[in-house]
Amino acid sequence: GENVEQHPSTLSVQEGDSAVIKCTYSDSASNYFPWYKQELGKGPQLIIDIRSNVGEKKDQRIAVTLNKTAKHFSLHITETQPEDSAVYFCAASSGSNFGNEKLTFGTGTRLTIIP
Amino acid sequence: NAGVTQTPKFQVLKTGQSMTLQCAQDMNHEYMSWYRQDPGMGLRLIHYSVGAGITDQGEVPNGYNVSRSTTEDFPLRLLSAAPSQTSVYFCASGNHRVSGNTIYFGEGSWLTVV
Repeated sequence: GENVEQHPSTLSVQEGDSAVIKCTYSDSASNYFPWYKQELGKGPQLIIDIRSNVGEKKDQRIAVTLNKTAKHFSLHITETQPEDSAVYFCAASSGSNFGNEKLTFGTGTRLTIIP
Repeated sequence: NAGVTQTPKFQVLKTGQSMTLQCAQDMNHEYMSWYRQDPGMGLRLIHYSVGAGITDQGEVPNGYNVSRSTTEDFPLRLLSAAPSQTSVYFCASGNHRVSGNTIYFGEGSWLTVV
């Protein structure tokens, strides 16, 4: 089955700087790669995702890049703000009719923004 | 976490007891699933369903049962709780035709088995 590795496990950055979180996956059939943000005591919330036919996707301060050849994808957060502090999870799925039923998650990155 | 309701929020069980974690969604989502979250291990898929009457196993199904008699509800049953089932459980739902790729998660259920 799919295996997703995520690094680093913890990350601290100064407010205003950029943060990068990286994930690798093992199953070449995976074609959907979402990123989730989880705040304390809450469920994960989708922040951005990318499909295998796209190399990069941006949404304001957040971007995701995908390298299918190397089987890795990354989350980039620019101009970080205190409210970006949370645990971030990457995930991968080979999909089916819906495309996202069986997500395999990374182990998470705890991002702390230092004011 | 719009529309996915989990109950109870917190539960303490004794080893061997049984219980059901409830999950309901009001978004007419065809897809529902249960994940467990353990420290340092991310979220792992327990069971999932792509529609009423259809269920399938995920990565860690042992010790858990599910059923999907209606589109709205997807309960998770622990038949004989074990300490290894101490975890945070998340229910999720989605519908590609309605919400695209977005999977909505509930707030979580904290389960302790002593």
